[in-house]
Amino acid sequence: DSGVTQTPKHLITATGQRVTLRCSPRSGDLSVYWYQQSLDQGLQFLIQYYNGEERAKGNILERFSAQQFPDLHSELNLSSLELGDSALYFCASSVGTENTEAFFGQGTRLTVV
Amino acid sequence: GQNIDQPTEMTATEGAIVQINCTYQTSGFNGLFWYQQHAGEAPTFLSYNVLDGLEEKGRFSSFLSRSKGYSYLLLKELQMKDSASYLCAVRDNFSGTYKYIFGTGTRLKVLA
Repeated sequence: DSGVTQTPKHLITATGQRVTLRCSPRSGDLSVYWYQQSLDQGLQFLIQYYNGEERAKGNILERFSAQQFPDLHSELNLSSLELGDSALYFCASSVGTENTEAFFGQGTRLTVV
Repeated sequence: GQNIDQPTEMTATEGAIVQINCTYQTSGFNGLFWYQQHAGEAPTFLSYNVLDGLEEKGRFSSFLSRSKGYSYLLLKELQMKDSASYLCAVRDNFSGTYKYIFGTGTRLKVLA
């Protein structure tokens, strides 16, 4: 157990819908990272927050947004869902900003039908 | 542009040593990471290199040459449980914006 908690574990939804994925970092970690992993594209970095502020940004779609709350948990919002958004979404956390050792949650498997 | 290359698959024998190579091209190199990922599980951090040279951590070592855009992960005394995908990732700082770029991973099979 990495100490990073993601909910829900599985999510099935229809195209066009909006979902929210939640991540609770390890106790004491200030950085949260979001990743998308699909079979054809491997692991893709989406975004990083550090202590509530956006720190790094990958090729995150405009339909996707994230935030980190004062209690340091984070949410990833995916809207206008398409079939291609079906993937495993991982959250990771680390103490500092540099991701020298980040710990991953078990992921949320999103299926868009 | 930004690109990371690593072999798709490798096979090795239990007890042997295997080296997984990674070459990268980035605009503003700011560190290189290796992760292990077993099928159906989350990635696990293995190593981080930001300066040239070798970092050793038990059976695993990682090497970096920034001038060559090259890294390798060395696994010694291979065990069956080392069968997994190994992901090479680079942190890139381009114009003050950080991002993490991942290779597609190397699937390692350890045979008895």
